[in-house]
Amino acid sequence: AQSVTQPDIHITVSEGASLELRCNYSYGATPYLFWYVQSPGQGLQLLLKYFSGDTLVQGIKGFEAEFKRSQSSFNLRKPSVHWSDAAEYFCAVGSYNTDKLIFGTGTRLQVFP
Amino acid sequence: NAGVTQTPKFQVLKTGQSMTLQCAQDMNHNSMYWYRQDPGMGLRLIYYSASEGTTDKGEVPNGYNVSRLNKREFSLRLESAAPSQTSVYFCATKMPGQGNTEAFFGQGTRLTVV
Repeated sequence: AQSVTQPDIHITVSEGASLELRCNYSYGATPYLFWYVQSPGQGLQLLLKYFSGDTLVQGIKGFEAEFKRSQSSFNLRKPSVHWSDAAEYFCAVGSYNTDKLIFGTGTRLQVFP
Repeated sequence: NAGVTQTPKFQVLKTGQSMTLQCAQDMNHNSMYWYRQDPGMGLRLIYYSASEGTTDKGEVPNGYNVSRLNKREFSLRLESAAPSQTSVYFCATKMPGQGNTEAFFGQGTRLTVV
């Protein structure tokens, strides 16, 4: 069965600093990987996704993520964080043989001016 | 084009009461899902439905029932609410695929059981 681990519960960065949110997955085959963002009181919005091909994927709002099979990781990055990026971020994994989407526990990002 | 609509947005129940959370989508998607979100637990899958008339259990189905009567609507029922079911509930939909399609979420229902 697939699973997702986000080791960082809460991260605080200064505006303008770089950001990396960690995500590790467990799945026997090639996973389908997603990053979602949730602003306070809102639903989830897709930032980016990886299915195959280029292991560095670009998403919305200036985010990118890199799939590293050898490390079972799909870390989310942004070179310069804006105050509006403060939100909760979820990594998720889908599998080839089911239509389920399994989420990690989330990382709450706080941005200081 | 509303996307995924959940009703109600907020609800307070007494222990033992029943209620149904409604979800409707106008995206013509086959797959629909119910998740609950709890602090430190992320989103956990309660039930999902691959198509009209079919439903399957997710990670945390106990205490819930679902109904998928048509393609647009997927309801979640709590027959006898418990305080442990206090949570934020999200409905999601996506096109069926081999796990590689994007899910679209409603705005959530915040449920408190006292």
